[in-house]
Amino acid sequence: NAGVTQTPKFRVLKTGQSMTLLCAQDMNHEYMYWYRQDPGMGLRLIHYSVGEGTTAKGEVPDGYNVSRLKKQNFLLGLESAAPSQTSVYFCASKRGAAYNEQFFGPGTRLTVL
Amino acid sequence: AQRVTQPEKLLSVFKGAPVELKCNYSYSGSPELFWYVQYSRQRLQLLLRHISRESIKGFTADLNKGETSFHLKKPFAQEEDSAMYYCALSPYGSSNTGKLIFGQGTTLQVKP
Repeated sequence: NAGVTQTPKFRVLKTGQSMTLLCAQDMNHEYMYWYRQDPGMGLRLIHYSVGEGTTAKGEVPDGYNVSRLKKQNFLLGLESAAPSQTSVYFCASKRGAAYNEQFFGPGTRLTVL
Repeated sequence: AQRVTQPEKLLSVFKGAPVELKCNYSYSGSPELFWYVQYSRQRLQLLLRHISRESIKGFTADLNKGETSFHLKKPFAQEEDSAMYYCALSPYGSSNTGKLIFGQGTTLQVKP
């Protein structure tokens, strides 16, 4: 099993450009999450999904959109990138409500110039 | 407000010395608490959770509700323990969304 994978690993954008980060998991997990990691701030939840077709806002959702059209995929979109969105983005998944452990992807390093 | 605080950005100890990574939380209910670890060039992974009351790789953590703390301890540090450690809180009653609130992280550096 590959576990949680993220595409791409690195990306450089110019201000105003758009892009989509893909998260895929092959563990048949119900719940999926997008976090951003910034120095001195830990990981902060952007959006999450508790099942196919559902999404919800996390702690820092502004400037991002998500979609969960298929159970195994969770997409994070930046419509108009800003330098403040320069960060490392982590995706995670969790088996279901009764399970506590989140499994993380390797991260995507995004730089917005 | 729900918050997790790790007061130390960096903790540097010598091999064989005891280690204590501090974690304090702010939450009005009964949270579930975790320690996650990120070794160099590896992904973030669960180290331990308070409900299991387990010891993993020699690490233990006890939930102290009176002091709202969940400090991570190890009696004798090893060089392979060098990593970034995150304390995280999952609030009960949040519709089982499993959301995690992370602390700022502490880098543990174990010197030979």
